[in-house]
Amino acid sequence: GAGVSQSPSNKVTEKGKDVELRCDPISGHTALYWYRQRLGQGLEFLIYFQGNSAPDKSGLPSDRFSAERTGESVSTLTIQRTQQEDSAVYLCASSHPAGGYNEQFFGPGTRLTVL
Amino acid sequence: GQSLEQPSEVTAVEGAIVQINCTYQTSGFYGLSWYQQHDGGAPTFLSYNALDGLEETGRFSSFLSRSDSYGYLLLQELQMKDSASYFCAVKYNFNKFYFGSGTKLNVKP
Repeated sequence: GAGVSQSPSNKVTEKGKDVELRCDPISGHTALYWYRQRLGQGLEFLIYFQGNSAPDKSGLPSDRFSAERTGESVSTLTIQRTQQEDSAVYLCASSHPAGGYNEQFFGPGTRLTVL
Repeated sequence: GQSLEQPSEVTAVEGAIVQINCTYQTSGFYGLSWYQQHDGGAPTFLSYNALDGLEETGRFSSFLSRSDSYGYLLLQELQMKDSASYFCAVKYNFNKFYFGSGTKLNVKP
């Protein structure tokens, strides 16, 4: 079956522009996560969606970052007024209630470069 | 808050055994996960331990000691394709994950 997909795979933008990143989770996966990974570093939690519950936004680094999810499907991460320090790979992951959400399935990521 | 410590880099020879340690400090601990990530690739799930003890999956095993806030990933019969970064991650507050900075494993012939 299809895995987690993300688009675009690469995005180059100019400082100050807004960008929108998309994530399509695996069908039936009610939990969805966004992470940021800077070069050579670990995964930094950004936001977590669980079903129809209010999202956990505690990892968003500033109010320039926001995310939405439509029901239990597509999610978009929006970064407004991008800064050079936003350059990173943005990873989306989803997980299924069977097995207690213990296994996260990651998408290939969007590599964002802010010039 | 959450914190994790794991070695930044480990080098081992093909066919050998390597152990990657992870110590953590966390509140609301549920379990410890391990993920593998090849350069330029997405992280892939290796294991999850909620209870103390050793769990084996093929060449890979994972261990957890909740009393010591410690776990490790054991890789046996190392192969060149095992060269990758390995991340431990704590699951806390029911369904959130905090990842370590990763251990880069270099497997040499």
